[in-house]
Amino acid sequence: GAVVSQHPSWVICKSGTSVKIECRSLDFQATTMFWYRQFPKQSLMLMATSNEGSKATYEQGVEKDKFLINHASLTLSTLTVTSAHPEDSSFYICSGQDDQLNSPLHFGNGTRLTVT
Amino acid sequence: GENVEQHPSTLSVQEGDSAVIKCTYSDSASNYFPWYKQELGKRPQLIIDIRSNVGEKKDQRIAVTLNKTAKHFSLHITETQPEDSAVYFCAAGGSYIPTFGRGTSLIVHP
Repeated sequence: GAVVSQHPSWVICKSGTSVKIECRSLDFQATTMFWYRQFPKQSLMLMATSNEGSKATYEQGVEKDKFLINHASLTLSTLTVTSAHPEDSSFYICSGQDDQLNSPLHFGNGTRLTVT
Repeated sequence: GENVEQHPSTLSVQEGDSAVIKCTYSDSASNYFPWYKQELGKRPQLIIDIRSNVGEKKDQRIAVTLNKTAKHFSLHITETQPEDSAVYFCAAGGSYIPTFGRGTSLIVHP
């Protein structure tokens, strides 16, 4: 079945450094990739939506210069957290969707980011 | 945009009991309603979904009902087991980005 492979599963970085999270869709083409962050015991908060070959659309309150999203192909999307700060520590999850109307979301395993 | 309300936030049941989680949505254009189960530290997994052309769907111990007039849909789990313990999210969508509810933490006591 459709799978999204997300790496790394966890990362610890120092404040001020950048971290790249990668999501690859396996066995399907992710026309759209959604990026979420999830704080403990809270829901999935949509950060941005990216479509292959075009610029990502960011949700209100999400800094596009801080959270760089690239969706260069139908099977790869990346999120780079630039100049990370402790408040960026969270669980980041990607979710891919193919181009069929109302097709299910296929989630990655998530990345636990801890910024010290 | 779409607004999804989910209740309860926490649900505690005894093994073998039934559990019901309810969601309401605001946009009448929504026509796709998936439910996800998320175990601690893991990714959400689609467990069942329903589209607006049906009112009920069942898959073994899990069922979902949809009332488009009232704009609410519910997840029903029968004969609950300890392994059903997780956070469940509803979502509502259409030709646009699905919106998630806040989640329900289901605890099944053995």
